Amino acid sequence: LAKTTQPISMDSYEGQEVNITCSHNNIATNDYITWYQQFPSQGPRFIIQGYKTKVTNEVASLFIPADRKSSTLSLPRVSLSDTAVYYCLVGYTDKLIFGTGTRLQVFP
Amino acid sequence: GAVVSQHPSRVICKSGTSVKIECRSLDFQATTMFWYRQFPKQSLMLMATSNEGSKATYEQGVEKDKFLINHASLTLSTLTVTSAHPEDSSFYICSARRQGYNEQFFGPGTRLTVL
Repeated sequence: LAKTTQPISMDSYEGQEVNITCSHNNIATNDYITWYQQFPSQGPRFIIQGYKTKVTNEVASLFIPADRKSSTLSLPRVSLSDTAVYYCLVGYTDKLIFGTGTRLQVFP
Repeated sequence: GAVVSQHPSRVICKSGTSVKIECRSLDFQATTMFWYRQFPKQSLMLMATSNEGSKATYEQGVEKDKFLINHASLTLSTLTVTSAHPEDSSFYICSARRQGYNEQFFGPGTRLTVL
């Protein structure tokens, strides 16, 4: 299973764009990259998933370079409600192993 | 779509009792469900993988006789914490993978407190 490395924490202000980068050097050919958001005392919530290049949905964008050894979650114009822990995971149809995640704190 | 529920959301029990937690996929069939445990300020730790109709696969260090998992149907998996002790107090979260899809969808979690 591919191991992921993310910054432990990040701070931002409301209205700013936040980019969280995750490294996954030993990602396998079949692995997808998935990002989850978790608020305290809640289950993780699916944000976005991608395999290569760029994926965009209504809440975020995911940038994946050609070598797929890293990925960047981009949150446009964050608000206070985006304060949460963000997890990057890689895998295919097997189990997901959570890393430490990135604790994002958004200030007014 | 892709909603996963857990019941109960919160449970308090006495030491030595058993507690059952249900995980249901409400609007899809889940061939595989996963059970995680999360302690305060820590990440999720995978406990076991549950496949419908077969025995669960437990992660290293997780006692299968203490954490009984049953996946009797494509929409329901249960985790029973047997003879619970205070150190079993934690946040238990399940997830389900929709049949034919890659991503997992997580339940809201169950807060277990053992007195």
